Amino acid sequence: DIQMTQSPSSLSASVGDRVTITCRASETISNFLNWYQQKPGKAPKLLIYSTSSLQSGVPSRFSGRGSGTDFTLTINSLQPEDFATYHCQQSYSSPPTFGQGTKVEIK
Amino acid sequence: EVQLLDSGGGLVQPGGSLRLSCAASGFIFGNYAMHWVRQAPGKGLEWVADISGSGDTTSYADSVKGRFTVSRDNSKNTLYLQMDSLRAEDTAIYYCAKDQQYSSDWYVIDYWGQGTLVTVSP
Repeated sequence: DIQMTQSPSSLSASVGDRVTITCRASETISNFLNWYQQKPGKAPKLLIYSTSSLQSGVPSRFSGRGSGTDFTLTINSLQPEDFATYHCQQSYSSPPTFGQGTKVEIK
Repeated sequence: EVQLLDSGGGLVQPGGSLRLSCAASGFIFGNYAMHWVRQAPGKGLEWVADISGSGDTTSYADSVKGRFTVSRDNSKNTLYLQMDSLRAEDTAIYYCAKDQQYSSDWYVIDYWGQGTLVTVSP
């Protein structure tokens, strides 16, 4: 199975900050990388698929890039509603696997 | 509006069985693959199983293979997960989830149910 490793596991930031989360795959996954946002007690929500495609309705302050094994999710000008846990997931091969999550907290 | 309503969770003893259901609405159910994804308390997400739009192709995580069975009834817009020989490590919130595509090898989940809690304990 392909292992996905996110860093950091958690971070503290302020409203208006630019935040970057990294996801690394244990082998190449081309651009088959997706990002989800999960708030406490809620189901995950798709933010970005295929590395950089923004899901419908997701604000443009979210962006993704990368290829091969290294990927990033960037949130420009962090908003109060962005404090949540972010999960990366590879969709290159079965079984699809997720990173351990990155919790973005208020500083 | 896409809606996925998970149900069927509860407390079950080790070795017991449980059947989860997911009622779908707001889209043409048979046109999309569906997944079950679980999340143990305080842990990350783990993909459990998927099924193609027609229901003729299924796949499972190694951790549940031979114990869980995913199925669907496209006439009822409902997804199921039959869970047998349950273990303590199966304790988790189980989410029904919709794929972006018909085939079960795209693995991009664009909608999730609210989840149903399964607790396996004596």
